[in-house]
Amino acid sequence: AQSVTQPDIHITVSEGASLELRCNYSYGATPYLFWYVQSPGQGLQLLLKYFSGDTLVQGIKGFEAEFKRSQSSFNLRKPSVHWSDAAEYFCAVGTGNQFYFGTGTSLTVIP
Amino acid sequence: KAGVTQTPRYLIKTRGQQVTLSCSPISGHRSVSWYQQTPGQGLQFLFEYFSETQRNKGNFPGRFSGRQFSNSRSEMNVSTLELGDSALYLCASTPTVHSGRETQYFGPGTRLLVL
Repeated sequence: AQSVTQPDIHITVSEGASLELRCNYSYGATPYLFWYVQSPGQGLQLLLKYFSGDTLVQGIKGFEAEFKRSQSSFNLRKPSVHWSDAAEYFCAVGTGNQFYFGTGTSLTVIP
Repeated sequence: KAGVTQTPRYLIKTRGQQVTLSCSPISGHRSVSWYQQTPGQGLQFLFEYFSETQRNKGNFPGRFSGRQFSNSRSEMNVSTLELGDSALYLCASTPTVHSGRETQYFGPGTRLLVL
């Protein structure tokens, strides 16, 4: 069965520090992978997506993610976090029938 | 273009009642999907509508239903509300029917509280 796991429920980082959010998926075929961000009181916004090709993908707001097939992972990274990055982050896999989302990682940024 | 809009933004109901939520997709988008978001469960897929037809359905009981109109606006209905139905209900629109590759555009959600 398809599933997405985000092992970290909550992460706290200092402003300016680097960030890595983990995502592992389970899907039999080649996955379509996404990262979305949700700010308080708002819907989800796409950060980046991976379909094929270069395994390192660039997104908006300085985020990037690396697809590692051998580890079934699609981790999200940012070299220097800004206070405005505080939000909830969701990893998702797209299949032929629906999207499967992880349970999310809540990011707190300390000034 | 205006984004995805959802009404109402907040609702309080009591157990046993029913509720109808509305979603207006981005102009030109013909597919609308609905999700239930709860703490610890993340987003769970309810159903997708395209051209007034339900195309895909998640693993929810029959109390959850939906429909789509000719202008692509969609409604979802929950009958006989239970406490566990308290959640944020999100809708997302895309230009075409689901394939797994498309970017979804989400509305701000309707927060439902069942007492």
